[in-house]
Amino acid sequence: EPEVTQTPSHQVTQMGQEVILRCVPISNHLYFYWYRQILGQKVEFLVSFYNNEISEKSEIFDDQFSVERPDGSNFTLKIRSTKLEDSAMYFCASTYREGGNQPQHFGDGTRLSIL
Amino acid sequence: GNSVTQMEGPVTLSEEAFLTINCTYTATGYPSLFWYVQYPGEGLQLLLKATKADDKGSNKGFEATYRKETTSFHLEKGSVQVSDSAVYFCALSDLGTGGFKTIFGAGTRLFVKA
Repeated sequence: EPEVTQTPSHQVTQMGQEVILRCVPISNHLYFYWYRQILGQKVEFLVSFYNNEISEKSEIFDDQFSVERPDGSNFTLKIRSTKLEDSAMYFCASTYREGGNQPQHFGDGTRLSIL
Repeated sequence: GNSVTQMEGPVTLSEEAFLTINCTYTATGYPSLFWYVQYPGEGLQLLLKATKADDKGSNKGFEATYRKETTSFHLEKGSVQVSDSAVYFCALSDLGTGGFKTIFGAGTRLFVKA
């Protein structure tokens, strides 16, 4: 079964540095998402992306965050100047078409640790 | 806004015990409902879903029924195994300004002892 793949599995970064988390959604999917899960807390929506633009973003997704689909396969999340509170597991997700009954397919996540 | 509330864990059961994890939701309209499972060190996997009232989702012995009257989607399994130890997330599909996104409950950790 096709999978969403995320790299790296674990990223350790100094506070203030930029970090890019990478995702390869399922190849025929059109809608892409980022979520995060701070340790011990619930999974929170960050941003959705379709047709090369952001569809919706949450309050968490401030000016430090950006997303990009640089080519036909990758979908990236960039954090410009990381803070300690950015430490979390970040999940990428994708769906083929939009609709409330379409479950999102999630990757295994990237654990981001800010020192 | 829409939200999901699920029972706090951890839940500890012996193998072959009956499992119930309660989930209730608050939503305008009738969202689709999901249970996702997160095994240790892994990502989120869809376990089952239900898209309308009275639908029953089922997979791997797990079941959940979409109850509109009680706004609930409780997860059940008749006989748990050690391999079911994981975190279970109840979730709904939320229509926002830019399309659909998933809203998750806090997760319930299940430990199954041999």
